[in-house]
Amino acid sequence: KAGVTQTPRYLIKTRGQQVTLSCSPISGHRSVSWYQQTPGQGLQFLFEYFSETQRNKGNFPGRFSGRQFSNSRSEMNVSTLELGDSALYLCASSPTAVGGEAFFGQGTRLTVV
Amino acid sequence: GENVEQHPSTLSVQEGDSAVIKCTYSDSASNYFPWYKQELGKGPQLIIDIRSNVGEKKDQRIAVTLNKTAKHFSLHITETQPEDSAVYFCAAPPGGAGSYQLTFGKGTKLSVIP
Repeated sequence: KAGVTQTPRYLIKTRGQQVTLSCSPISGHRSVSWYQQTPGQGLQFLFEYFSETQRNKGNFPGRFSGRQFSNSRSEMNVSTLELGDSALYLCASSPTAVGGEAFFGQGTRLTVV
Repeated sequence: GENVEQHPSTLSVQEGDSAVIKCTYSDSASNYFPWYKQELGKGPQLIIDIRSNVGEKKDQRIAVTLNKTAKHFSLHITETQPEDSAVYFCAAPPGGAGSYQLTFGKGTKLSVIP
């Protein structure tokens, strides 16, 4: 069974630009959550989607948004990029509707210059 | 919201020794406690988890214990090997979140010295 796939793996953007990251969950998994990982703040929850609906959102500005498609694939978007948005963005997928195992992808390393 | 504290931040052990990492959480309604291992350049890998109705769970050289009264849980790795070297994270969901919103500890960098 294929794992969680995130594309692209690496990305370099300029301040002020916007970026879209993609996540394909494990086949059959309907929940997708996103996390930002930085050396200073660690792993922080961004948002979580189930059946195309955002169920929870972390404490991030409105520049961070996401969506989920009918095939459970998810995208997250960051607009008006800031230097502080440089991070590893991780996607995790889960098989059921409520609490349990979450499986992470390799992440997308975003560098804002 | 949930607050998870993890100790120590770094841990060095000799190959073959045991390693213990401890976490405390704040939300007494939390009911699921996973541990993740992250190697350089990779995403976190779920290595073991425990639910609130169980006090201990073992999987070969890895075990997790949970004390709900004290609101802490621990990861135990026995007979450590060099390939155990990585950063380990504990996590807990806010109680009643009903979703996959995990609050993570800051991580423990484990170094196993051959």
